Amino acid sequence: SQTIHQWPATLVQPVGSPLSLECTVEGTSNPNLYWYRQAAGRGLQLLFYSVGIGQISSEVPQNLSASRPQDRQFILSSKKLLLSDSGFYLCAWSEVAEDTGELFFGEGSRLTVL
Amino acid sequence: GQNIDQPTEMTATEGAIVQINCTYQTSGFNGLFWYQQHAGEAPTFLSYNVLDGLEEKGRFSSFLSRSKGYSYLPLKELQMKDSASYLCAVLDSNYQLIWGAGTKLIIKP
Repeated sequence: SQTIHQWPATLVQPVGSPLSLECTVEGTSNPNLYWYRQAAGRGLQLLFYSVGIGQISSEVPQNLSASRPQDRQFILSSKKLLLSDSGFYLCAWSEVAEDTGELFFGEGSRLTVL
Repeated sequence: GQNIDQPTEMTATEGAIVQINCTYQTSGFNGLFWYQQHAGEAPTFLSYNVLDGLEEKGRFSSFLSRSKGYSYLPLKELQMKDSASYLCAVLDSNYQLIWGAGTKLIIKP
């Protein structure tokens, strides 16, 4: 069966520090991968999605970046965090061949920037 | 622009019935999803509609009217564990998911 894991679950970082969130998927090949951010009282905001290794599409201009060094690994990074980067970050995957677009989410990472 | 509207919060009593509504205006339509999200956790899939009518799936059925841009999630025999946020999301013409802000359902004993 397919599983998805992301870490760390919780982190508190000072403004201006770097960030690295990691996500891995098991049990499937060539998945579509996504990074979302969820702010309180707002809908999920798509940050990045990837349809293959090295292929990253950015939906929102910001100081975050994403990389996909391996087929089932997706990394969200920042060189210098801003206060506004605080939020709940979710990694997700979907089947490439599945047009329904059902998403399977990781456990989430809660980032607090102070 | 694209827009998904859901009530921000609803309150119901354990054992009762509640209906969570979602209206949408999107560029194209390729299906509508409902997800459940408990506080501090990731969303989990509940249901998917692409055709009009009621899609029955155990306790979590969902109804869709494409002509009205409307869906609802009827929850019966509410249990305390149903206290969560319910997220509506529409797959647009580019197969991108557009998310509503979610409806926080509070269940009282």
